[in-house]
Amino acid sequence: DAKTTQPNSMESNEEEPVHLPCNHSTISGTDYIHWYRQLPSQGPEYVIHGLTSNVNNRMASLAIAEDRKSSTLILHRATLRDAAVYYCILRDGGTYKYIFGTGTRLKVLA
Amino acid sequence: EPEVTQTPSHQVTQMGQEVILRCVPISNHLYFYWYRQILGQKVEFLVSFYNNEISEKSEIFDDQFSVERPDGSNFTLKIRSTKLEDSAMYFCASRPGGNSNQPQHFGDGTRLSIL
Repeated sequence: DAKTTQPNSMESNEEEPVHLPCNHSTISGTDYIHWYRQLPSQGPEYVIHGLTSNVNNRMASLAIAEDRKSSTLILHRATLRDAAVYYCILRDGGTYKYIFGTGTRLKVLA
Repeated sequence: EPEVTQTPSHQVTQMGQEVILRCVPISNHLYFYWYRQILGQKVEFLVSFYNNEISEKSEIFDDQFSVERPDGSNFTLKIRSTKLEDSAMYFCASRPGGNSNQPQHFGDGTRLSIL
């Protein structure tokens, strides 16, 4: 089973920041937090990943709580193209597979 | 930017027939994966492959499934005798060697429809 919990859906207005939360209370010390998104009719697309400290890249920022039991994906200015299902994933234990949950469906309003 | 490519984009097959789904991973990647997504459901792990061997497989990946890297560039998933419940999107993914937390890169999938 997925080790993360996310809201089923969220809405945002275009051009506004979006904060997508994820709870992972059973995270182990060596688990990285990976975020992917899936646009309609496409495969999962890598967004960002991190271990302890906050991370930034051209797509998004990842804020990780100090106790690592939760994290937040931040899209700084949502566009219509950001409408997708966003998945927060912890790699399963000592294996290399991803276990996907149901993710958060982000709706961006024009 | 290099990407994982999958062919065909849509495959229609009669139940009981064999089907082969093809993937070309990113060229310097060493770890390969297949996932599937039944319509409206979660993405599910099927199998991981490294150094010409299966490194892990899920309960879904039974004797009807097999994977192969026949020529150093392609990575294939074969389903020997398809069932109606095999209808799904199948995604191939790959990642580099080294740090095991390197992200996986996914293709856009093959939609498999079993009639």
